[in-house]
Amino acid sequence: GAVVSQHPSRVICKSGTSVKIECRSLDFQATTMFWYRQFPKQSLMLMATSNEGSKATYEQGVEKDKFLINHASLTLSTLTVTSAHPEDSSFYICSATTGFGGYTFGSGTRLTVV
Amino acid sequence: DQQVKQNSPSLSVQEGRISILNCDYTNSMFDYFLWYKKYPAEGPTFLISISSIKDKNEDGRFTVFLNKSAKHLSLHIVPSQPGDSAVYFCAAGRNAGNMLTFGGGTRLMVKP
Repeated sequence: GAVVSQHPSRVICKSGTSVKIECRSLDFQATTMFWYRQFPKQSLMLMATSNEGSKATYEQGVEKDKFLINHASLTLSTLTVTSAHPEDSSFYICSATTGFGGYTFGSGTRLTVV
Repeated sequence: DQQVKQNSPSLSVQEGRISILNCDYTNSMFDYFLWYKKYPAEGPTFLISISSIKDKNEDGRFTVFLNKSAKHLSLHIVPSQPGDSAVYFCAAGRNAGNMLTFGGGTRLMVKP
């Protein structure tokens, strides 16, 4: 089946630094990738939708200058949390779709900003 | 505005019995529904899906029922096993391949 690899699984960074999270579709081409964020004991909240080769579409309330998304190829999307602050600490999950109704999730990244 | 709701934050079931997880939605444009299982610090794992043209889909121990008029779907797990203990999310979408909207999740605990 379709596999999405997400790295790193855990990252601790200092406040003010930037962190990049990668999401790769290993055995299929992902025309669209989604980035979600999950706070403890809460649901997955969609942050942005990215289509290969075009700018990401951000959900209301998500700062596009803070959460930079790049989807330069059909197999790779990256989320960069810039100038991270403790309130950015969360669990980030990517999801990829081929556009034919299949969704595959990455294993998630636990970000802790200290 | 929560378009997808799971009103039960938790559910406890005895091993071997049936687990029924419920999900309600408000957007009548949703035409694709999915259930995911999630463990802490892991990504969701797909369980089963159903399109709006069906009212039931079955896969092994998992069955999803869709009641479009009530805007309600449910996931039945029979028989429940301790390994089923996890958080279950329902999700809904429009035009397969577009964004999904997730419910708040229900924590299922299956007791041996």
